[in-house]
Amino acid sequence: DIQLTQSPSFLSASVGDRVTITCRASQGISSYLAWYQQKPGKAPKLLIYAASTLQSGVPSRFSGSGSGTEFTLTISSLQPEDFATYYCQQLNSYSYTFGQGTKLEIK
Amino acid sequence: QVQLQQWGAGLLKPSETLSLTCAVYGGSFSGYYWSWIRQPPGKGLEWIGEINHSGSTNYNPSLKSRVTISVDTSKNQFSLKLSSVTAADTAVYYCARKGWLFSSRYYYYMDVWGKGTTVTVSS
Repeated sequence: DIQLTQSPSFLSASVGDRVTITCRASQGISSYLAWYQQKPGKAPKLLIYAASTLQSGVPSRFSGSGSGTEFTLTISSLQPEDFATYYCQQLNSYSYTFGQGTKLEIK
Repeated sequence: QVQLQQWGAGLLKPSETLSLTCAVYGGSFSGYYWSWIRQPPGKGLEWIGEINHSGSTNYNPSLKSRVTISVDTSKNQFSLKLSSVTAADTAVYYCARKGWLFSSRYYYYMDVWGKGTTVTVSS
């Protein structure tokens, strides 16, 4: 199985900050990576796929980059509604593993 | 707009079989794979498996021996069965659509999700 490791696991930031979350894969996965946002009690929401393609309807302050084994999700200017948990997922090979999550909290 | 509605038993005893169903409304059923994903309390997400309209399946090897995913194309529904459950199977179970983009190769993602069903295994 391909393992995904996100860093940091917890992140404290303020409204207006620029934040970056990293996802590292245990082996190369080309650009077969997606990012999701999850709020408490809700299903995950797709933000980014193919490592850098913004899902329709997602604000442009979200961006993704990377390929191979290292990927990043950047939020350019945090808004109050962005405080949530973020997951990466590899869709290069079954079993489509997820990272352990990054919880983004208000400072 | 595609919507997924899911249901099933929420409380099971150890050794019983978990059974959930997800109905697809408002979009194409045949053009996609349909997945089950779970999330134990306070933990991360785990992909369980997927099925397409013709019944072709792929499963997480860690669960494969206990998982069966089936499809009913007449109702645009797909179902999950997980046998011999234990407390470790306690989780919120989500159904989801595996969307795709073709750009020299296929890129996949989970773009539509059900609201989740909480399943608790307890004696």
